Amino acid sequence: ETGVTQTPRHLVMGMTNKKSLKCEQHLGHNAMYWYKQSAKKPLELMFVYSLEERVENNSVPSRFSPECPNSSHLFLHLHTLQPEDSALYLCASSQDLTTGAYNEQFFGPGTRLTVL
Amino acid sequence: RKEVEQDPGPFNVPEGATVAFNCTYSNSASQSFFWYRQDCRKEPKLLMSVYSSGNEDGRFTAQLNRASQYISLLIRDSKLSDSATYLCVVGAGGSYIPTFGRGTSLIVHP
Repeated sequence: ETGVTQTPRHLVMGMTNKKSLKCEQHLGHNAMYWYKQSAKKPLELMFVYSLEERVENNSVPSRFSPECPNSSHLFLHLHTLQPEDSALYLCASSQDLTTGAYNEQFFGPGTRLTVL
Repeated sequence: RKEVEQDPGPFNVPEGATVAFNCTYSNSASQSFFWYRQDCRKEPKLLMSVYSSGNEDGRFTAQLNRASQYISLLIRDSKLSDSATYLCVVGAGGSYIPTFGRGTSLIVHP
């Protein structure tokens, strides 16, 4: 496996379910991100981790709970979601968190989530 | 004012046309600038970074205007395969979190 992988690719869940999204990066990066992409809206940053430590929580509801057990893996635990949470959830990684022209983010293919 | 603004389009152009997109940003302390491309139902991928002196990669040219706080992307000799959404991304000084624009949709038709 190369790059950034995400599982599952598609997920349908009810509002009372609990599920988890998984992201794995094979690039040796130190920073990982969760984004939400809804139709007709820009990418919304949800969480940022640097070396397994959460450094950004962008006012995300507590029904979304991230976990970063090591620098290669990132999870997003979901519980009691709402239909408006239906979206594409993208994971990304970058070498580190310094600004500059080379801090390219590599995205996974995303999980398309539908909440019924 | 939104931090990063783009005309959502769509821009509908024939093959071979030249098309230009602009992106404005509000934070004058911004230091890093990128164009990403996102195909339908796929993840964003880096198209090119934007340097102060401007840069070119084949048919693609990116330019930065700090005084007016905008970046541009010029695509020459458009191909059908250029059809995608082009995302402007800006990184502010002092922050490591890049800000994405909502994207500009390009449709190249035969």
